Amino acid sequence: GENVEQHPSTLSVQEGDSAVIKCTYSDSASNYFPWYKQELGKRPQLIIDIRSNVGEKKDQRIAVTLNKTAKHFSLHITETQPEDSAVYFCAAPHASGGSYIPTFGRGTSLIVHP
Amino acid sequence: DGGITQSPKYLFRKEGQNVTLSCEQNLNHDAMYWYRQDPGQGLRLIYYSQIVNDFQKGDIAEGYSVSREKKESFPLTVTSAQKNPTAFYLCASSIGVQDYGYTFGSGTRLTVV
Repeated sequence: GENVEQHPSTLSVQEGDSAVIKCTYSDSASNYFPWYKQELGKRPQLIIDIRSNVGEKKDQRIAVTLNKTAKHFSLHITETQPEDSAVYFCAAPHASGGSYIPTFGRGTSLIVHP
Repeated sequence: DGGITQSPKYLFRKEGQNVTLSCEQNLNHDAMYWYRQDPGQGLRLIYYSQIVNDFQKGDIAEGYSVSREKKESFPLTVTSAQKNPTAFYLCASSIGVQDYGYTFGSGTRLTVV
């Protein structure tokens, strides 16, 4: 099955700094890579995703880059704000019973200090 | 809850009891999923369903059962065979199983007492 490694597990930055979270995956057939943000006590919410036909996608202060050759993709948050503090999960699909089911990374706890 | 509702929010189970967690969606999504979330473990897939009357085991299905009699509903039963059921359970749905982002419910926190 798919193995998704996510690093770092904890990331502490000062407000205004950039934050980068990286995930690697093992199934070369994976072609859809979402990122989710989970605030404390709340449900995960999709914040950005990328498909394998593009190398980068941006949405205001967040961006995702994909390197299919190296099998890794990264989440970039610029000009971080305290409200960016949350746990971030990456996911990559893997083949299961004839379908592709996302496997999640273990999460990165981002702490933005004011 | 963005179209997907889980209930109850908190649930307490005695040893040896079966309990059922509810998940309902009005998004007209075909696919539904159950995940278990433990601290430091990320999200682990219990069961998923692509269409009505069909479901597949995920990575940690032992001690759990599901049904999918209606498109809108995907209840999860935690049986007494699940030895460590205390966790946060998340239900999700998507348009299809492949290449689509999830919409998650707000979760059920199950505690064994």
